[in-house]
Amino acid sequence: AQSVTQLDSQVPVFEEAPVELRCNYSSSVSVYLFWYVQYPNQGLQLLLKYLSGSTLVKGINGFEAEFNKSQTSFHLRKPSVHISDTAEYFCAVRTYGGATNKLIFGTGTLLAVQP
Amino acid sequence: DTGVSQDPRHKITKRGQNVTFRCDPISEHNRLYWYRQTLGQGPEFLTYFQNEAQLEKSRLLSDRFSAERPKGSFSTLEIQRTEQGDSAMYLCASTFLPRSGVYGYTFGSGTRLTVV
Repeated sequence: AQSVTQLDSQVPVFEEAPVELRCNYSSSVSVYLFWYVQYPNQGLQLLLKYLSGSTLVKGINGFEAEFNKSQTSFHLRKPSVHISDTAEYFCAVRTYGGATNKLIFGTGTLLAVQP
Repeated sequence: DTGVSQDPRHKITKRGQNVTFRCDPISEHNRLYWYRQTLGQGPEFLTYFQNEAQLEKSRLLSDRFSAERPKGSFSTLEIQRTEQGDSAMYLCASTFLPRSGVYGYTFGSGTRLTVV
């Protein structure tokens, strides 16, 4: 079975500072990895995904993530955050080639950007 | 196509009542998923459809829950005899297989259920 661990429930950061949101996963088979963002009372919006190839993935809104197979991590980064980045961020995994193809989510990290 | 639509956005119901939610996926997507999200948690898988066939149900989906996807288009999720523990955001997502990894999963805005 697969699982996702987001180590930080909340990350406070000042505007224009860099940020890293941590994600570790557990799986005995190859996986695809995703980061989603959720604004209050909204659904989930895809930020970026890793399928294969280059381990550094760039997404929308200036976010990027790096897949590290040896550390089973997929940390999300942004070099300079804005107030508008305040939201809940979810890391998700799904198995490659599985029958269900369902996403398994972490518990989320609230990014709180302060002026 | 503007994405995945869910209706209603909010639903307040009394304990013991039945409720039904609707999800309209992206038209060419053949896979449809239902998730439940409680406060402070990530979305949890409930069930999914491949076209009109319901292929998997989570243990979270008690007998009071039923989902359908007639004709492989829109889907409904019904909760009978609602309980306060059913209060949550219910999210619908769709994708196209076999390219779900490439296409990704598109989520709707969710239906927030409050059972009083």
